Amino acid sequence: SQKIEQNSEALNIQEGKTATLTCNYTNYSPAYLQWYRQDPGRGPVFLLLIRENEKEKRKERLKVTFDTTLKQSLFHITASQPADSATYLCALDMSTNAGKSTFGDGTTLTVKP
Amino acid sequence: NAGVTQTPKFRILKIGQSMTLQCTQDMNHNYMYWYRQDPGMGLKLIYYSVGAGITDKGEVPNGYNVSRSTTEDFPLRLELAAPSQTSVYFCASSYSLGRGEEQYFGPGTRLTVT
Repeated sequence: SQKIEQNSEALNIQEGKTATLTCNYTNYSPAYLQWYRQDPGRGPVFLLLIRENEKEKRKERLKVTFDTTLKQSLFHITASQPADSATYLCALDMSTNAGKSTFGDGTTLTVKP
Repeated sequence: NAGVTQTPKFRILKIGQSMTLQCTQDMNHNYMYWYRQDPGMGLKLIYYSVGAGITDKGEVPNGYNVSRSTTEDFPLRLELAAPSQTSVYFCASSYSLGRGEEQYFGPGTRLTVT
């Protein structure tokens, strides 16, 4: 069956370090993979999108990689700050299922000062 | 632009009652979606719409109905509420076909069924 798995445990890191979050999937062939940020009591907010033919995407302190052989995406936040503390969701879009994103359960990141 | 707005923010229903969750977007987006999010979990797609008059089922449509009479509005109807429908409901919209288009989410409606 199809499955999306993000870091099973919450991630706690020290301010200034790089946070690395993982998104693994099985039995999908995603055309696109997106990362969203969700703060408590709020709706998700889009951060980055990466296409199946792209290996890496960057935006300011954020970097996403996409390895379709390993079926994995890594999401990095460099020089992390306490304000980066949130839950991060990955979402897969398949070209055969346009309009139907499938979300992972999210990873909660806490950055300690 | 207000973006995606949802009402109400909170609601408590008794088992068997019905209600409509409202969703409006002012970005002229064609695609709209309803998700539910249970505690500690990701988003599950309930229904989506590709334009006025066109809706389709998502992953968890049972117990819900939708309509899309205008581009702006996409209400979600709960008939005969059950405790299993206790969740946070998010409405979202995107501009075009949804092929990797980012989705814009509303603030959510927290629903409790007792």
